[in-house]
Amino acid sequence: DAGVIQSPRHEVTEMGQEVTLRCKPISGHDYLFWYRQTMMRGLELLIYFNNNVPIDDSGMPEDRFSAKMPNASFSTLKIQPSEPRDSAVYFCASSQDSPTGELFFGEGSRLTVL
Amino acid sequence: QKEVEQNSGPLSVPEGAIASLNCTYSDRGSQSFFWYRQYSGKSPELIMSIYSNGDKEDGRFTAQLNKASQYVSLLIRDSQPSDSATYLCAVVSRDTGFQKLVFGTGTRLLVSP
Repeated sequence: DAGVIQSPRHEVTEMGQEVTLRCKPISGHDYLFWYRQTMMRGLELLIYFNNNVPIDDSGMPEDRFSAKMPNASFSTLKIQPSEPRDSAVYFCASSQDSPTGELFFGEGSRLTVL
Repeated sequence: QKEVEQNSGPLSVPEGAIASLNCTYSDRGSQSFFWYRQYSGKSPELIMSIYSNGDKEDGRFTAQLNKASQYVSLLIRDSQPSDSATYLCAVVSRDTGFQKLVFGTGTRLLVSP
């Protein structure tokens, strides 16, 4: 398997613009996670899905953030409007059959908001 | 208090030495604990899991768990320069009513040749 695939790898945008990050989980994995990593706060869980259904979105910072999983092989994380404090590396991860089993991470999307 | 706390380091050890990485957690009900390794510019990868008090060994790695003290550690024997990375401690939490992994901010390990 190709692993978790994320795009874009790097995104530079200006404050106020919409940002969409994409993720393809490992085939057969039931859980998909969106994490954000910064130096100050480390790796924070934003939201996770089980069988395409959002389960826990308590980590989503505010209404500017939204995530969808329209099918088992695709998820998006959208930020609208973006702000400089959203600059971070956003990781998508998937796991086979448990929200607390081994997580397989994608390579991440580095977002810079100017 | 953060749910999972780690010293950010860097922890510097010479090649061949034992590296000791430590982690404390706040949720007394946590039952599952993990160590992930993250190389600079890369994504985290799982290296160890531990669920019971005591030691668990896997090659050069030993995870230690003390639930009474709410303390998890990772020992790396015969450290190699290739072990230089950030080590993330992760703990299962149910603070939102849903099980999820909560990560510490990581300890950066530098192994010098």
